Amino acid sequence: GAGVSQSPSNKVTEKGKDVELRCDPISGHTALYWYRQSLGQGLEFLIYFQGNSAPDKSGLPSDRFSAERTGGSVSTLTIQRTQQEDSAVYLCASSFADEQYFGPGTRLTVT
Amino acid sequence: GESVGLHLPTLSVQEGDNSIINCAYSNSASDYFIWYKQESGKGPQFIIDIRSNMDKRQGQRVTVLLNKTVKHLSLQIAATQPGDSAVYFCAETDSSYKLIFGSGTRLLVRP
Repeated sequence: GAGVSQSPSNKVTEKGKDVELRCDPISGHTALYWYRQSLGQGLEFLIYFQGNSAPDKSGLPSDRFSAERTGGSVSTLTIQRTQQEDSAVYLCASSFADEQYFGPGTRLTVT
Repeated sequence: GESVGLHLPTLSVQEGDNSIINCAYSNSASDYFIWYKQESGKGPQFIIDIRSNMDKRQGQRVTVLLNKTVKHLSLQIAATQPGDSAVYFCAETDSSYKLIFGSGTRLLVRP
């Protein structure tokens, strides 16, 4: 079956603009995660959705970052007023049990 | 999304040799540990996991060892192949979903 998909694969934006990153999880997976990966770094947890429960937003670095998950499926990560330090690869993962399946990521470059 | 960084610790091994990648984790309350493989331009891929009530777990060509006393995790790859070249991350969690990732080790396999 299809894995986790993310779009766009690459996004270049100007400082100050808003961006939306999309994640399509594996069908039937109740949990969805967003991570950020800066160059040469491991993955940094951002936010976690599980079913209809309130999301765990404890990893979001600032109030410019927000995410939603509509209908328990597709998720959108929004970054407002982008800054150069937001440049990174943003990875989405989904899971049914413990194992998280990752998408290919969106590479965001803020110029 | 590209994950490789310019200054990751690197392990270079001869094809056919065994590889050992090490990881020190930080949280003594972590009870679930995972090894991921990340190839250039792709998201992390699950390799093997282990819970804290075990000290060794084997998969196909891979073995994970856990030493809780010194908070150390290792991944052993038998008969390393060119396709094993990638960046390897360990991850830990005490909550089963909020993974804390290490910074990664790049494995290079010499033909």
